[in-house]
Parts: sequence; C-alpha cells; structure tokens
Amino acid sequence: DADVTQTPRNRITKTGKRIMLECSQTKGHDRMYWYRQDPGLGLRLIYYSFDVKDINKGEISDGYSVSRQAQAKFSLSLESAIPNQTALYFCATSDSRDSGVNQPQHFGDGTRLSIL
Amino acid sequence: DQQVKQNSPSLSVQEGRISILNCDYTNSMFDYFLWYKKYPAEGPTFLISISSIKDKNEDGRFTVFLNKSAKHLSLHIVPSQPGDSAVYFCAASKNTGNQFYFGTGTSLTVIP
Repeated sequence: DADVTQTPRNRITKTGKRIMLECSQTKGHDRMYWYRQDPGLGLRLIYYSFDVKDINKGEISDGYSVSRQAQAKFSLSLESAIPNQTALYFCATSDSRDSGVNQPQHFGDGTRLSIL
Repeated sequence: DQQVKQNSPSLSVQEGRISILNCDYTNSMFDYFLWYKKYPAEGPTFLISISSIKDKNEDGRFTVFLNKSAKHLSLHIVPSQPGDSAVYFCAASKNTGNQFYFGTGTSLTVIP
C-alpha cells in the first residue's frame, strides 16, 4: 500500500463546482503539503501544515482552502472551481523530528483535475 | 518569479554515457538542495540532496555538485541506464523553514 494516498486519482468537473481532494498518509509524518503541477511551471506550493493546528499559505493559495482533520489527513478544497485550476495536484509529507535538518518530502501519486 | 530554474526541458543520452542535468537558483538564502525523479502517473520520489556546506554528494551512480558562487547545481548520472528515463526536478529550501521551491523539470531519455 502507498504511504501517501490521494483520492480521487482523476476528476473531471464543471466550472463553479465545489471539489475536495483528499490525502492520507501512513508514514507518521507531522508535516503535509499540497502542490500543483502545470506544464512549464514545475510544482508550486498551495498550502502546508506543520501539525494539526497549523495551516500556512503557500505561493499560490488564492482560490483554495485546506483542512487538516488529523495528523494523517490533509484535504484541499476548491470552493468554486475555474478552468485555470485544471492541473495535476500532489500531496506530500515530511518529518520534522530531525530538528534543524531539512527532510525530503514524500509524494502521493497525484490527482489529475480537469475543470470544464 | 521562478526562484529555481531548469533551463533544459529535455535531454537524450545513450545508455552507458553520462547524463548531466542542470539547475540554477536565484535566492542566496537557499541552503538545502534536492533532486527528485518522476515517472509518468507517479509522484516525484526523492533521489539525492546536498547541504550548502558541501560542494559534492555522491550516492551510487548519482552525484550532485553545488557551486554556491554561481548559484548552480548539477546532477550527474553515470552510467546512464534506460530505467533512468524520467522527469527530474531540482528543489531548494531555506533551513529556517520547510518550504521547497521546485524547478520546472528536465525530461531525461536514455537510449538503449
């Protein structure tokens, strides 16, 4: 089983709909992240959370919201989807226990979202 | 503005030869750098990292070089194998936080 699981893997929806992408992890990591990938732009950070009570905006948070329901779960919502939010979305986790040392992030396999 | 740049969208190399992937960054506060590898329909997977206190880190066939004065890092794969064909992303962060800034990726094709 995957350590970082994203659901759904693919979603097609219409402009104006509310959409939730879910992420769960079994790695026991405290930090979780949401990225989007667009052609020619790489991965860009949307939101991140360092623990259940901590939520931070990334570089492109407008139009998105998140919820950290538990240490293992981090969901991303698009309240009213628009076509330019069509992208590949990735959830990632990392472990802060080695304080002062950056730790690599572990990614899920992505959600391909298309907004018509 | 893109703080981490990979100026080569694609690279083709013969099997057994060296692959060199390049990455440039603009923020002098970055002090930790990583390379990720991504296959189609999968998420990126961590490959190798380097701290700014080093200029080289090696792990098997993979070596990352860091030139801080030029704000440049490179990933060398020797010898290249067909299974190395993937998209490679470089990423950078500041040790004061855990936000990673990613490049746009380079698609490597290793020709058998």
